[in-house]
Amino acid sequence: KQEVTQIPAALSVPEGENLVLNCSFTDSAIYNLQWFRQDPGKGLTSLLLIQSSQREQTSGRLNASLDKSSGRSTLYIAASQPGDSATYLCAVGGGADGLTFGKGTHLIIQP
Amino acid sequence: EAEVAQSPRYKITEKSQAVAFWCDPISGHATLYWYRQILGQGPELLVQFQDESVVDDSQLPKDRFSAERLKGVDSTLKIQPAELGDSAMYLCASSLESGTVIYNEQFFGPGTRLTVL
Repeated sequence: KQEVTQIPAALSVPEGENLVLNCSFTDSAIYNLQWFRQDPGKGLTSLLLIQSSQREQTSGRLNASLDKSSGRSTLYIAASQPGDSATYLCAVGGGADGLTFGKGTHLIIQP
Repeated sequence: EAEVAQSPRYKITEKSQAVAFWCDPISGHATLYWYRQILGQGPELLVQFQDESVVDDSQLPKDRFSAERLKGVDSTLKIQPAELGDSAMYLCASSLESGTVIYNEQFFGPGTRLTVL
């Protein structure tokens, strides 16, 4: 059974810092990996989707990498802003199947 | 921009009552998913539809939960009777089609927050 772990569980940094969120998964037979953002009491917003054949994806200040063989992904956030404060969820997919999620990293950016 | 719609946004009910949640996926999305998210945890898949057919309901507590997508468009998730442990966020997601990995990105609705008293 696929298991997804996210480290750290919580992170608080001053505004302007670059930061890295980590995600690991136990079964490397995945088709894709998705990073989401969730604000308190809200639904999930898709940030980046990486197909299994890809190594990284970029969107604005966000960059996500995937090392499928080692079962790891990182989400890099450049020049963090208070508006980036949220919970970040990593999820892996088996093709047409539902996603398996980690528990998330709760991020606070201090003004 | 197209979005996944869900209603109600919040629902408070007493245990043993019946509740129902509605989801309307992004137009043209063949695959629809229902997830449950307990506070502090990641979402967990309850049921997956491809058009009107159930593809995966292995994690759906079938003694009390039911889901349908009769015309292959919108979907309803029902709980009867509700229990205290059902308090959670119920999230609906959709993707363009299954079997074609490139378009497998899932898009989520705002969720329904259920509180069972």
